[in-house]
Amino acid sequence: DTGVSQNPRHKITKRGQNVTFRCDPISEHNRLYWYRQTLGQGPEFLTYFQNEAQLEKSRLLSDRFSAERPKGSFSTLEIQRTEQGDSAMYLCASSHIDPPSYEQYFGPGTRLTVT
Amino acid sequence: DAKTTQPNSMESNEEEPVHLPCNHSTISGTDYIHWYRQLPSQGPEYVIHGLTSNVNNRMASLAIAEDRKSSTLILHRATLRDAAVYYCILRPIRGGATNKLIFGTGTLLAVQP
Repeated sequence: DTGVSQNPRHKITKRGQNVTFRCDPISEHNRLYWYRQTLGQGPEFLTYFQNEAQLEKSRLLSDRFSAERPKGSFSTLEIQRTEQGDSAMYLCASSHIDPPSYEQYFGPGTRLTVT
Repeated sequence: DAKTTQPNSMESNEEEPVHLPCNHSTISGTDYIHWYRQLPSQGPEYVIHGLTSNVNNRMASLAIAEDRKSSTLILHRATLRDAAVYYCILRPIRGGATNKLIFGTGTLLAVQP
């Protein structure tokens, strides 16, 4: 078990471009979460999957953002028409489905810089 | 969602104990108390959690007040590697809850050699 992995680790893009990030969770984990973290702040929840079903989306997730987890394994987060305000660290986490006391395991994050 | 309050920053000396406080006066009876920490340039990592009783694991101890309105994360002997932001988080155990983590700004712990 190598933990949660995220690719790429860093992404620099120009405003208006589309970007896609990938998250590979721990293999037996049913739940997968995306968070966003800006400088000096704690991570903020974006969205959550249980297996392949996307069960909750934060109001932070505008129409430009879309996330998928097609086979209940890896997940992708796409941002269309990026804006400078999208610059942040995007974190992925996974956990077992039950019980709710189970911890979430985080990946190292993808740092996005929009110029 | 119930809120937590933590000091913005704390300092400790290497090999000394550290007590990191957290106030959660609006905690409900079905909220777990979780602690995560985030080392520089890494994602958060789980430290410990508890419901009512004090808890110990290899990383730390969690002392929970009798009324559950506050808790303290105890690092018994701080090392330089413990320098991180520590987050105190309440997680509900309601059926069907997402169990997303709601982070505050945490406590930045500096460890001096």
